[in-house]
Amino acid sequence: EDKVVQSPLSLVVHEGDTVTLNCSYEVTNFRSLLWYKQEKKAPTFLFMLTSSGIEKKSGRLSSILDKKELFSILNITATQTGDSAVYLCAVEPQGAQKLVFGQGTRLTINP
Amino acid sequence: NAGVTQTPKFQVLKTGQSMTLQCAQDMNHNSMYWYRQDPGMGLRLIYYSASEGTTDKGEVPNGYNVSRLNKREFSLRLESAAPSQTSVYFCASSESGISGYTFGSGTRLTVV
Repeated sequence: EDKVVQSPLSLVVHEGDTVTLNCSYEVTNFRSLLWYKQEKKAPTFLFMLTSSGIEKKSGRLSSILDKKELFSILNITATQTGDSAVYLCAVEPQGAQKLVFGQGTRLTINP
Repeated sequence: NAGVTQTPKFQVLKTGQSMTLQCAQDMNHNSMYWYRQDPGMGLRLIYYSASEGTTDKGEVPNGYNVSRLNKREFSLRLESAAPSQTSVYFCASSESGISGYTFGSGTRLTVV
């Protein structure tokens, strides 16, 4: 059974700190790994990763995939209160046309 | 510029009542999905439709039925609601085989 595990489940930091969110997975045939940010409503897409070792970057957010060790990390530098959200990791198995989600990490940034 | 539209946004049902959640997308995507989200459990797939005319069970299909009415619309039906179906429901769509789903804004369903 395909499985995605995120850690930590909850994280509270101060504005300006750097955080690292973890995602490990077990999937029969890997196609891609995705990160989403969920504030009050629908998840919004952040990154899609398909190849090991290639960092994807968007402003203060970055992510990298390790297909040998079966994990990904999402880094956020110089955090702001607007980064407070649930961050979801999902894996798309090859040929499955569906995503398997982890439990999410609830990130809270205090001023 | 609508993307994925879900209705209703909120609903309260009594145990045993039925209802249909509606979802429509205007991006000409082939694939559509219904997920539920419960605290601490991420999103779990209920049913999906890889293309018009096909539907498949996901991880938690029991107690639900779906209809892919046409390419745009994918509805989720609860025939006899149970308190265990209290959840937030998300519809999503994507182009077949291409990642990066677009999600609707969700339906918060409470069954009492």
